[in-house]
Amino acid sequence: AQTVTQSQPEMSVQEAETVTLSCTYDTSESDYYLFWYKQPPSRQMILVIRQEAYKQQNATENRFSVNFQKAAKSFSLKISDSQLGDAAMYFCAYRSAGEGAGSYQLTFGKGTKLSVIP
Amino acid sequence: DTEVTQTPKHLVMGMTNKKSLKCEQHMGHRAMYWYKQKAKKPPELMFVYSYEKLSINESVPSRFSPECPNSSLLNLHLHALQPEDSALYLCASSRGGTPKGEPQHFGDGTRLSIL
Repeated sequence: AQTVTQSQPEMSVQEAETVTLSCTYDTSESDYYLFWYKQPPSRQMILVIRQEAYKQQNATENRFSVNFQKAAKSFSLKISDSQLGDAAMYFCAYRSAGEGAGSYQLTFGKGTKLSVIP
Repeated sequence: DTEVTQTPKHLVMGMTNKKSLKCEQHMGHRAMYWYKQKAKKPPELMFVYSYEKLSINESVPSRFSPECPNSSLLNLHLHALQPEDSALYLCASSRGGTPKGEPQHFGDGTRLSIL
């Protein structure tokens, strides 16, 4: 079974600064997908960024980028130029690329609560 | 604006009541999900429907009964719930029957409180 670990329960960052949230995972599979989701107090889970394991290039979405280290099973999220609206709970998630029922499952980490200081 | 709409946003019910949660999406997605999320915890998968058929039931108690009347609509029928069932219930959808790398799109959730 896959596991996802987020070792930082809480983090804070000054507005306009850069912060990195860590995520490690454990799997025996070679093909899979990794996601970062953001959940603000408004409750909706919002997809931030997605990474395909077979792609070596790190995914980027505007101010959000990842550092994907497949051998180390590490998938950290970097937020540049932090904004007040970035304050939220951030979840790292893993999904198998297989054909079976496991491909529906999102395995989540426990989350990191990010605060942005004005 | 969320593309997955959940109603109601809040629900308070007694342990003997029967109520339903509703989820709707018009993105043409063919996989739909129910999750339960307790405070400060990640979501836990309950059910998955693929092409209107139940694909996954994560050993959820029978007091929760899912229903997928059509490809756009997903219901969760509640009966004789327990106080520990109080949580945020999230609905999600994704494209295709086998979602693989396709991201799940979540609704705002229904905050359920059991008295």
